[in-house]
Amino acid sequence: QVQLQQWGEGLLKPSETLSLSCTVHGGSFSTYSWGWIRQPPGEGLGWIGEISHSGTTDYNPSLKSRLTISVDTSKRQFSLRLTSVTAADSATYFCARMPAGYLDVWGQGTTVTVSS
Amino acid sequence: EIVLTQSPGTLSLSPGERATLSCRASQSISGSSLAWYRQKPGQAPRLLIYDASIRATGIPDRFSGSGSGTDFTLSISRLEPEDFALYYCQQYGDSPRTFGQGTKVEI
Repeated sequence: QVQLQQWGEGLLKPSETLSLSCTVHGGSFSTYSWGWIRQPPGEGLGWIGEISHSGTTDYNPSLKSRLTISVDTSKRQFSLRLTSVTAADSATYFCARMPAGYLDVWGQGTTVTVSS
Repeated sequence: EIVLTQSPGTLSLSPGERATLSCRASQSISGSSLAWYRQKPGQAPRLLIYDASIRATGIPDRFSGSGSGTDFTLSISRLEPEDFALYYCQQYGDSPRTFGQGTKVEI
């Protein structure tokens, strides 16, 4: 059974860099793309971006200038880095497996709060 | 980007009743590349339907999806207690991927 375990800093100050990682346990790593989604408190889901096992990325244009998604196939991990965070970046962040654009296995979520 | 509009915003029903949720796209979605998710409070979303009508692994047959182009529907034939939750549609036919704003199914 495939499980995604995510971790990272949950409390940041404005202008700092958000870093989250997700480890894939079980199943194949190299035949999927991997994505990040976020959900502000009380709001809906928003797609952040995704990366293929070979490193090809696709980012949400609204975040592209601040966003880097990377993959380490040897560790079965993928990571998100978002620079210059503001309060608007406060959200629960999810990692997920993407067989073909949809998201079939999700991480447990990490709550990130940006506050001075 | 493709904007997805879900309706209604809230659906008030009783256990055992049928639920019909709508997702309308601002432009045609290629390949019927639309998915539905259910999210319970404090949990990650769970994939129910992909490619508009294919049930994900382990999803009971009371869930069904239909539609193409710009109009899609998720039907739940007989609501179980665990089905009272939030539902989101998502398109993946174009980038950026986008989600609808959600439909809440409440008792």
